[in-house]
Amino acid sequence: GAGVSQSPRYKVTKRGQDVALRCDPISGHVSLYWYRQALGQGPEFLTYFNYEAQQDKSGLPNDRFSAERPEGSISTLTIQRTEQRDSAMYRCASSSQVAGGEYEQYFGPGTRLTVT
Amino acid sequence: QQPVQSPQAVILREGEDAVINCSSSKALYSVHWYRQKHGEAPVFLMILLKGGEQKGHEKISASFNEKKQQSSLYLTASQLSYSGTYFCGTVSGGSNYKLTFGKGTLLTVNP
Repeated sequence: GAGVSQSPRYKVTKRGQDVALRCDPISGHVSLYWYRQALGQGPEFLTYFNYEAQQDKSGLPNDRFSAERPEGSISTLTIQRTEQRDSAMYRCASSSQVAGGEYEQYFGPGTRLTVT
Repeated sequence: QQPVQSPQAVILREGEDAVINCSSSKALYSVHWYRQKHGEAPVFLMILLKGGEQKGHEKISASFNEKKQQSSLYLTASQLSYSGTYFCGTVSGGSNYKLTFGKGTLLTVNP
């Protein structure tokens, strides 16, 4: 079956512009995660959804970052008034119900964001 | 707090063994291991829950010492396909979903 998909795969934007990054999880996966991955580093947790509920947004760097998953499937990560320091790979992951801690997260191909 | 992985990088010849370590300063609920090849997404390898269990996946296995807050990934008889960056992700008390990843160990297997 289809894996996690993200769009766009590459996004170049000018400083100050808003960007919206989309994630389409694996069908049936109720848990969805957003990460940011800098070059040569591991993924850094941003936020977590269980169905449509955003249960943890502790990793969002500041209030310019927001995420939603209104129907419990597709999610959008929005960055307002982008800054050069926002340049990174943004990855989405999904998993089946998180129960007992034994779950696999399936990562998407990521969106490479470059802010000029 | 981010777990610490060691070594940072290792180079092997095909058929050799390697051990990658992951340690945390916090009590751990579980440890997840992923492999990421250059330009690709991280791919799940295995999860270890607290209880000191060991798991295997083909010639790749791992252990989890809850008391020492450490996990080790063992790669035996390495193959060229094992090359990539290995990340451990840890889950600490308070949530069972929030993974904190280490900086990774770059493994290169040469013919």
